[in-house]
Amino acid sequence: AQSVTQLDSHVSVSEGTPVLLRCNYSSSYSPSLFWYVQHPNKGLQLLLKYTSAATLVKGINGFEAEFKKSETSFHLTKPSAHMSDAAEYFCVVIGNTGFQKLVFGTGTRLLVSP
Amino acid sequence: EPEVTQTPSHQVTQMGQEVILRCVPISNHLYFYWYRQILGQKVEFLVSFYNNEISEKSEIFDDQFSVERPDGSNFTLKIRSTKLEDSAMYFCASSEEAGSNSPLHFGNGTRLTVT
Repeated sequence: AQSVTQLDSHVSVSEGTPVLLRCNYSSSYSPSLFWYVQHPNKGLQLLLKYTSAATLVKGINGFEAEFKKSETSFHLTKPSAHMSDAAEYFCVVIGNTGFQKLVFGTGTRLLVSP
Repeated sequence: EPEVTQTPSHQVTQMGQEVILRCVPISNHLYFYWYRQILGQKVEFLVSFYNNEISEKSEIFDDQFSVERPDGSNFTLKIRSTKLEDSAMYFCASSEEAGSNSPLHFGNGTRLTVT
């Protein structure tokens, strides 16, 4: 069965510094991986997705993620944090059925200080 | 940009009562889903729905739960007799297609509190 592990429950950065949110996956075959973001009192918004095309995936709001098969990782990065990036971030893998049964990580709360 | 809308945003109910959570998916989407997130826990898949029938459901989705698309726009989740442990944020989602190239669009969620 597919699963994802988010290694940090909280990450704190200063505005203007780089962001790294870590995710490792477990999958018996080539996975489809996603990052979703949840701002307070908002729904889950898709940041980016990897579906076996380019290994470096660019998403919205300057975020990107790199699929590394050798490390079974899909870490999310951004060169320069903005205050509006403060939110909960979820690494997600698709389960092994055809109907988009998403399997979520436990989430990482990103805190951005001025 | 089209959105998935959910109502109400917050529902409080007493244990044993029936509750219906409502969702309006994006109009040209064909696949519909419910997920939930108990406070402090992971977001969990409940059920997927296509062509007016359930395509997959999780172990959580027992006989107390049902889904319906009563008309061309609404998609509802009914909990027949709520329990304290049903308290959670419930997310509706929709997608155009089944494959991973058609990502899920989520609503803002309904926070259900069972007292």
